Amino acid sequence: QVQLVESGGGVVQPGGSLRLSCAASGFTFSSYGMHWVRQAPGKGLEWVAFIRYDGSNKYYADSVKGRFTISRDNSKNTLYLQMNSLRAEDTAVYYCAKEAWGVYWGQGTLVTVSS
Amino acid sequence: QLVLTQSPSASASLGASVKLTCTLSSGHSSYAIAWHQQQPEKGPRYLMKLNSDGSHSKGDGIPDRFSGSSSGAERYLTISSLQSEDEADYYCQTWGTGIHVFGGGTQLTVL
Repeated sequence: QVQLVESGGGVVQPGGSLRLSCAASGFTFSSYGMHWVRQAPGKGLEWVAFIRYDGSNKYYADSVKGRFTISRDNSKNTLYLQMNSLRAEDTAVYYCAKEAWGVYWGQGTLVTVSS
Repeated sequence: QLVLTQSPSASASLGASVKLTCTLSSGHSSYAIAWHQQQPEKGPRYLMKLNSDGSHSKGDGIPDRFSGSSSGAERYLTISSLQSEDEADYYCQTWGTGIHVFGGGTQLTVL
C-alpha cells in the first residue's frame, strides 16, 4: 500500500537550516507530482511547495519563496525540502502528500524554530 | 486571486446528516476541488476530488456516507448517518497555475 514517511524535523534556531525527507513506497514515485504542506500549532493547512513528477517544474508559496527548495530523487523514491533562513513562523508539522490532489499523506514531521 | 472560503464550524447530531460548504472565489467557479478530513491528532486524509459538474472520485476506503455535490462556485461535502469518528476538521483544496490553495477548514462537532 502507499506509504509516505517524513523525517528530518527538529528544533532549530532562527536563521538556521533544516532538510526534510519524505520516503515513498507502494507506488511508482517517478510518475507523480508531490507536495509539501504544513500546519502551524492550532492552525489550518498551508500549502508550501509542489514539484512535478520529473522535477521539471517547482512551485512555492509566497511565504517560503527564496528560502525553501523542493527537490526529489526518483532513483531513491524520496522527496526533499531544504529550508533555509528559518523563522519562528515556520514552526509547524510538515507533511508530504502525493499528487496535485493530495491523494495520500504522510504522518508529518515537526519543525520548531526557536532560540 | 484564487481563494477558498469555508465556515469555521458546524455541528450535527449523531446519526443525522450535515452538509459542509467550500466557496471558490470569483472567476474560479469551474475549478475542481478536493476534500480532506483531519481527525484530532492525526494527519490529513483524502476524501474525494469534486468536479464543477458534481461528479466525484473518492479515495480508498472512504465510506458511501461521504458524498460531494456542486452548484456554481459552491462545492459541498455531505456526510450522512453521522458517527462519532466523523468529528474532525474538513479542508477543501484546489490548484491553479503554479499555486495550490487550502480553505481555512471547518471544524465539525458531532453532538
